[in-house]
Amino acid sequence: GESVGLHLPTLSVQEGDNSIINCAYSNSASDYFIWYKQESGKGPQFIIDIRSNMDKRQGQRVTVLLNKTVKHLSLQIAATQPGDSAVYFCAENKIGTDKLIFGTGTRLQVFP
Amino acid sequence: KAGVTQTPRYLIKTRGQQVTLSCSPISGHRSVSWYQQTPGQGLQFLFEYFSETQRNKGNFPGRFSGRQFSNSRSEMNVSTLELGDSALYLCASSPAVAREQYFGPGTRLTVT
Repeated sequence: GESVGLHLPTLSVQEGDNSIINCAYSNSASDYFIWYKQESGKGPQFIIDIRSNMDKRQGQRVTVLLNKTVKHLSLQIAATQPGDSAVYFCAENKIGTDKLIFGTGTRLQVFP
Repeated sequence: KAGVTQTPRYLIKTRGQQVTLSCSPISGHRSVSWYQQTPGQGLQFLFEYFSETQRNKGNFPGRFSGRQFSNSRSEMNVSTLELGDSALYLCASSPAVAREQYFGPGTRLTVT
């Protein structure tokens, strides 16, 4: 199958701190990117998206940064809460294709 | 609006059997994609349907097939089940092809 996901890095943060989750995408022709959150036993949940004509987009407590020069995407979560504990995936969509390619997930653990 | 629903949520089958999974997209969404998620391989794209037509297919054997009905509901079928088919099968719907996809809770398939 076509995917990335062999190893799951883990980020541990203290409640109240900011979290930064990184993702390197594969295709310079990708023009749309999404961050998903997946809690145990559930399907991925849409968090925020960004198009390639932007370098930053903010949501509620979350910010996505896009660096097209180095093909890097990051998700910043402000004031991390226990409910933020989950696996986070980035996904990219290449212009002219009809599918999302998911990156390696990152497990976020929030401790008190 | 109701979210993406998948049935059944859990399924246990024996090697060699076949299985059909069902997905009802969010009302108004015409694109439905299917993914297989395993601990070792992550999220792998299976196929994507739009207006009853398969528009994209991932790198899975022909045992994996799908279809979409006129009401956008979709089914996927796996024939001659193998132990390695044990996975969480996720369905996602989108108002537009490949963009902002919304996932269902998944069907957990166990092959014994």
